Amino acid sequence: AQTVTQSQPEMSVQEAETVTLSCTYDTSESDYYLFWYKQPPSRQMILVIRQEAYKQQNATENRFSVNFQKAAKSFSLKISDSQLGDAAMYFCAYRSALSARQLTFGSGTQLTVLP
Amino acid sequence: DGGITQSPKYLFRKEGQNVTLSCEQNLNHDAMYWYRQDPGQGLRLIYYSQIVNDFQKGDIAEGYSVSREKKESFPLTVTSAQKNPTAFYLCASSIVGTASNQPQHFGDGTRLSIL
Repeated sequence: AQTVTQSQPEMSVQEAETVTLSCTYDTSESDYYLFWYKQPPSRQMILVIRQEAYKQQNATENRFSVNFQKAAKSFSLKISDSQLGDAAMYFCAYRSALSARQLTFGSGTQLTVLP
Repeated sequence: DGGITQSPKYLFRKEGQNVTLSCEQNLNHDAMYWYRQDPGQGLRLIYYSQIVNDFQKGDIAEGYSVSREKKESFPLTVTSAQKNPTAFYLCASSIVGTASNQPQHFGDGTRLSIL
C-alpha cells in the first residue's frame, strides 16, 4: 500500500517570502500522480498543483511550483511571494495510475503567513 | 455552476441513531468518494463508487453504509455501529479511466457531532 508522509506539522513564513513544504511517499509503482491540495479555514479542499510521475519537468502554477524527485520519492511544494491568503492546511496526495480508487493523503502541514 | 453539494453543513447524532449525509454532484463524474477527516489528520477513505449500483469499501468502512442509485448522488449513512462518528466528512467526485491525472473535486463538507 502507498503511504504519504508530511514531516512538518506546522510551518510559518513572512509575507512576500518563499516557503517550501515537504512531502515524501512510498510506492512500488512506476506510474502515478501527485497532488497538493490546500484547505483554508472554510475547510474546502482546493487543488493547488499536480504532477505526473512520467514527466521529468517540475509543474508550476503561478507562485506555486514543485520539486519532484522520483528516485528519492520526494514531492515538495514551493510557494513564492507568500500572501496572507496562502495561510491554510496543505495536503500532499498520491494517486495510482492503475486505479481510480482513491487519493492517499499525508497528514498535512499547517502554514501560517506572518504580516 | 457545476460542483458538489453536501448537506447538511452541521449534523448532530443521538446515541443509537443512524444519520445520513447527502452528496450530490452535477459534474457528470462517474466516480464518487467519501472521506473522513479528524483533527490534525489527513483524509481517510470510507467508501467509493466508480459506477452506478456499485461501490467498494475504503480503509475505514466499518460503521458506515452507502448507496449509488443515481450517478449524481452518493449518500453516506453513519450507523449506530460507528462508535466514534464525530468528524468532518468530505464527499468528492472525479473522472475515471485514463484521465486519472484529473483531480478529485470536493464538496464543502459536513461536520457531524454526537449529542
